[in-house]
Amino acid sequence: DADVTQTPRNRITKTGKRIMLECSQTKGHDRMYWYRQDPGLGLRLIYYSFDVKDINKGEISDGYSVSRQAQAKFSLSLESAIPNQTALYFCATRTGGAVTDTQYFGPGTRLTVL
Amino acid sequence: GDSVTQMEGPVTLSEEAFLTINCTYTATGYPSLFWYVQYPGEGLQLLLKATKADDKGSNKGFEATYRKETTSFHLEKGSVQVSDSAVYFCAATRGAQKLVFGQGTRLTINP
Repeated sequence: DADVTQTPRNRITKTGKRIMLECSQTKGHDRMYWYRQDPGLGLRLIYYSFDVKDINKGEISDGYSVSRQAQAKFSLSLESAIPNQTALYFCATRTGGAVTDTQYFGPGTRLTVL
Repeated sequence: GDSVTQMEGPVTLSEEAFLTINCTYTATGYPSLFWYVQYPGEGLQLLLKATKADDKGSNKGFEATYRKETTSFHLEKGSVQVSDSAVYFCAATRGAQKLVFGQGTRLTINP
């Protein structure tokens, strides 16, 4: 079984709709992250969380919100989706807070906003 | 600010060719450096990492050496296979908590 899972894997929605992307992990990691991937831009950080009570904005948080429901669950919401939010979204977890620690990624959610 | 710059893609090679994908970084302090690989339809997987200057990360025949003097972490493989076709991302830690990624390099290996 995968350590980091994302649901849904694909989603097509319309402008103005509210969308939630979910991430679950069985690795027992405290740190969780949401990224979006756009062609030619690599991955950019949207939000990250160090524990259930600690949520932080990344470099492109506008238009997004998150919820850390439990250590193992971290959800990303688009309150009112717009077409330029069409992208591939990845959730990731991290072992700890050291510079040498590795991030582990989920399989991604492909979101299309029409 | 911190940034990672990768060799422009896409890169197309024949099987058994030598591969180099260039990566340079700008960062304060001494970041850890990573190469991630993304196979079609999948998430990113850690390929290798190096945590201090002159360290060499290696995995699956790929290697990269942390060069502080040139702020580089180039990915190399001596003989590529069709199964190596993927997108490769170089990344560096930003502070102790975050990663900054390069734009990715798409590699295609032809039989």
